[in-house]
Amino acid sequence: GNSVTQMEGPVTLSEEAFLTINCTYTATGYPSLFWYVQYPGEGLQLLLKATKADDKGSNKGFEATYRKETTSFHLEKGSVQVSDSAVYFCALSASNTNAGKSTFGDGTTLTVKP
Amino acid sequence: DVKVTQSSRYLVKRTGEKVFLECVQDMDHENMFWYRQDPGLGLRLIYFSYDVKMKEKGDIPEGYSVSREKKERFSLILESASTNQTSMYLCASSSSTRGGQGIYTFGSGTRLTVV
Repeated sequence: GNSVTQMEGPVTLSEEAFLTINCTYTATGYPSLFWYVQYPGEGLQLLLKATKADDKGSNKGFEATYRKETTSFHLEKGSVQVSDSAVYFCALSASNTNAGKSTFGDGTTLTVKP
Repeated sequence: DVKVTQSSRYLVKRTGEKVFLECVQDMDHENMFWYRQDPGLGLRLIYFSYDVKMKEKGDIPEGYSVSREKKERFSLILESASTNQTSMYLCASSSSTRGGQGIYTFGSGTRLTVV
């Protein structure tokens, strides 16, 4: 079956530090890959996506590149801010699933200190 | 602004009560989902629906049922609430179009406490 593995948290960084959150996946076929972010007290919201190999998704200074050869979709940001403190979820959606049902990683909690 | 609306942000219920969690979306999405979120366990899929009156079990359906009588509304029912169902419940929806699959819109969540 499909699975997503994220680096374990929590991750604590100082403001302006470089962020990497690792995500690897297992899936049959050619899945689409996503990063979602959950701010405190809220639901998840889509941060970025990539639908095919070598695509780069980007939004709000965050980037992730779909690497089929390493089955990875690592999230990066060059300079984090306190407002980036949140839980980040990696997810995949495979065409062989009913209703496009997505598989989520367990989430990585990021805390950015001033 | 497109939305998934969950009827309650916080809910406190007694053990044994029948509990209804309501979710409404205004995007004409075909697919709707119910998850629970617990610390250290990530998101766990309870049930999902890909059409009106259609439903499928997710990973943890025991103790829950769902209803989808209209396209925009997906209800989660706890038949007899128990303390181990205390959790954050998240509703989501997505489109079945080729470009929309996997792009979920989530509600803000309902934090349910069963006492």
